Amino acid sequence: DQQVKQNSPSLSVQEGRISILNCDYTNSMFDYFLWYKKYPAEGPTFLISISSIKDKNEDGRFTVFLNKSAKHLSLHIVPSQPGDSAVYFCAASARNTDKLIFGTGTRLQVFP
Amino acid sequence: EAQVTQNPRYLITVTGKKLTVTCSQNMNHEYMSWYRQDPGLGLRQIYYSMNVEVTDKGDVPEGYKVSRKEKRNFPLILESPSPNQTSLYFCASSLSGRGERRFSPLHFGNGTRLTVT
Repeated sequence: DQQVKQNSPSLSVQEGRISILNCDYTNSMFDYFLWYKKYPAEGPTFLISISSIKDKNEDGRFTVFLNKSAKHLSLHIVPSQPGDSAVYFCAASARNTDKLIFGTGTRLQVFP
Repeated sequence: EAQVTQNPRYLITVTGKKLTVTCSQNMNHEYMSWYRQDPGLGLRQIYYSMNVEVTDKGDVPEGYKVSRKEKRNFPLILESPSPNQTSLYFCASSLSGRGERRFSPLHFGNGTRLTVT
């Protein structure tokens, strides 16, 4: 059973526009969420995170929103740049476990 | 440079031939973990280690072994590889996996692409 779901396998956005990547989760015990970015032939790299005590966290062009009642988080990239083209994974962690559960990933392509 | 190093980057082997994928980190991290990435399934955890001599199963541990005899090294062992273990493998480390320090992000290696024929 997939506890963290990214229902859009791919997304294509024009340069300068907003990219919105979505992630849904089922486990109400999750209290910390992260986004990782992965380029081809490289390992994932940490991008941004959010604790369940917040509903928004911003870092430059990247903002993560958390809607706990809907068990939904999203990553907004504004403005999108060609260098943002990568696979994005959301991940979730629960307080009483040592595990980090990853979603299936969304491939973002930003075209000129 | 702080990094997680995996070797080899690419490996082609035959069913049943034992192999080891090495992983080493130079950041003095307590927590280390192995993941496999498969199309449509994302990153799934194989094994993890909270510290030296402490290892635990992740979500897909069958067919794999690990050891943590030193803090910096966390090798992944496939005693008898099978074709369903063909995958892209990532080693990762972080400061700690427990308590408030579990918020410290994972640092990943560049991956090992394994093909078992």
